[in-house]
Amino acid sequence: AQSVTQLGSHVSVSEGALVLLRCNYSSSVPPYLFWYVQYPNQGLQLLLKYTSAATLVKGINGFEAEFKKSETSFHLTKPSAHMRDAAEYFCAATPEGNEKLTFGTGTRLTIIP
Amino acid sequence: ETGVTQTPRHLVMGMTNKKSLKCEQHLGHNAMYWYKQSAKKPLELMFVYNFKEQTENNSVPSRFSPECPNSSHLFLHLHTLQPEDSALYLCASSQWTSGYNEQFFGPGTRLTVL
Repeated sequence: AQSVTQLGSHVSVSEGALVLLRCNYSSSVPPYLFWYVQYPNQGLQLLLKYTSAATLVKGINGFEAEFKKSETSFHLTKPSAHMRDAAEYFCAATPEGNEKLTFGTGTRLTIIP
Repeated sequence: ETGVTQTPRHLVMGMTNKKSLKCEQHLGHNAMYWYKQSAKKPLELMFVYNFKEQTENNSVPSRFSPECPNSSHLFLHLHTLQPEDSALYLCASSQWTSGYNEQFFGPGTRLTVL
């Protein structure tokens, strides 16, 4: 069965510093991969997605993620953190042709002024 | 209204009450989902409806009863819930194709069971 692992349930970075949120998937066939963000008292919003085209994917709000098949990873990065980036971030995966998403447990990002 | 809407946003109910959660999608999608989000746990997929037909029931207790009258509306009927059912219930929709499945989420209903 597909699984998604997010290392670090809490990550704190200083404003202006690099953001790195880690995601690894388990699958012999690379799935489609997604990063979602959840702000307080809101639903999940899609940040970016990997659909087997370019391995470096750019999303909204300055975030990007790189798909690395050899490492089965899809880490999320942003060069310079902003206070508004404080939220919970979820990595998710789905095999091709499947209607269900498997989510990681989420990483809460805190930005230190 | 745009996107996926959910009502009510907050609900407090006793264990003997009966209530319903409503979800409506304005995106023309053909698949809808119910998720449960509890603290410190991954999002749990509860039900999937594809073209109004239920295609997934993820071992959800019978005190949760979904209803999908058409491809734009999804309900979750609740009765005799337990305190551990307190959580954020999220609805999502997608345009189901044979490729990938981008899901769009509503803001959720925060449910508290007393």
